[in-house]
Amino acid sequence: EDQVTQSPEALRLQEGESSSLNCSYTVSGLRGLFWYRQDPGKGPEFLFTLYSAGEEKEKERLKATLTKKESFLHITAPKPEDSATYLCAVTTGGYQKVTFGIGTKLQVIP
Amino acid sequence: DADVTQTPRNRITKTGKRIMLECSQTKGHDRMYWYRQDPGLGLRLIYYSFDVKDINKGEISDGYSVSRQAQAKFSLSLESAIPNQTALYFCATSDTGYTYGYTFGSGTRLTVV
Repeated sequence: EDQVTQSPEALRLQEGESSSLNCSYTVSGLRGLFWYRQDPGKGPEFLFTLYSAGEEKEKERLKATLTKKESFLHITAPKPEDSATYLCAVTTGGYQKVTFGIGTKLQVIP
Repeated sequence: DADVTQTPRNRITKTGKRIMLECSQTKGHDRMYWYRQDPGLGLRLIYYSFDVKDINKGEISDGYSVSRQAQAKFSLSLESAIPNQTALYFCATSDTGYTYGYTFGSGTRLTVV
């Protein structure tokens, strides 16, 4: 059974204090790993897809990296508007085989 | 207008009632999905449809049914609602590749009392 574990469950940062969120996965044959951002009362918003170990993608203050066992979402100099829950998901073949993690709730304090 | 629109946004219903959640999209995608989100459990797939004539059960389809009325419309029904179906429900669309992931709607918060 595919498993996705995100840590920490919650993270509180001061504005400008860089940190990383972790997504560790146990799957048979990773085809893709996704990161999403979810604001309260809204649906998840797509951020990145990573396909193979060593791959990196960036968007503004966010950088996602992938190894054979885990992915990191690095947040550089976060701002209060980065506060959200960040979800990780993996697929072993097709969107019908996507497994989501529970998420990391990030709060950035001014 | 949002790419994926869900109605209603909030609904309270009684045990045993039939309820329908509706979803429409303007992305032009053939693929549509219904997920539920529960605290501590993450998102779980209920049903998915890869085109108008293709409907498939997901991980947790018991107690639910769906209808794909058109490429742009996909509705989820609870035939006889029960309290443990209280959850946040999301509709999503995707194209065939992984490049852009899912596009989710804003969700329907359903409470069964």
